[in-house]
Amino acid sequence: DTGVSQNPRHKITKRGQNVTFRCDPISEHNRLYWYRQTLGQGPEFLTYFQNEAQLEKSRLLSDRFSAERPKGSFSTLEIQRTEQGDSAMYLCASSLDREQYFGPGTRLTVT
Amino acid sequence: QKEVEQDPGPLSVPEGAIVSLNCTYSNSAFQYFMWYRQYSRKGPELLMYTYSSGNKEDGRFTAQVDKSSKYISLFIRDSQPSDSATYLCAISGAGSYQLTFGKGTKLSVIP
Repeated sequence: DTGVSQNPRHKITKRGQNVTFRCDPISEHNRLYWYRQTLGQGPEFLTYFQNEAQLEKSRLLSDRFSAERPKGSFSTLEIQRTEQGDSAMYLCASSLDREQYFGPGTRLTVT
Repeated sequence: QKEVEQDPGPLSVPEGAIVSLNCTYSNSAFQYFMWYRQYSRKGPELLMYTYSSGNKEDGRFTAQVDKSSKYISLFIRDSQPSDSATYLCAISGAGSYQLTFGKGTKLSVIP
């Protein structure tokens, strides 16, 4: 068990570009979550998958954000037409039940 | 009123002290309570998970939940410099797997 992994760890992009992040959950975990964290704040929930089904989405997840989990394994989070306000740490977590285990995060900087 | 309130600190204690960290919440439907530790620029690490009211102990850590007061606590005994981190409370309800986090309390343990 190597834990939740996320790639890339850091991403710098220009405003208006699209970016995609990947999350690989703990292998036996069927639930996968995306959160966003800005400096000095706790993580904020974005979306949740059980297997390949996206079951919950936050109002924070604007139409520029899309997440997928094909085949119920890894997940991708895409942000289209990035804005400076999208600069944050994007965290992925996975769980079998209620206890969520987080990955190291992807730090996005939009210039 | 925010759903979860947590004093951001910072909190500075001498090595060996007992640390008390607290959160209050507003929604009586919350049933699942977690504490995470987050080192700078890392993902949150799950420390304690409690369902409903009561106490739970794990080594130097004790988590307490008082649902009647909507108040949760984390106690750290014999604090060590390696405990210096931000501590986040996280809560969820029966009908949802999304976690609602506090802002986090930054703790420094001084040798």
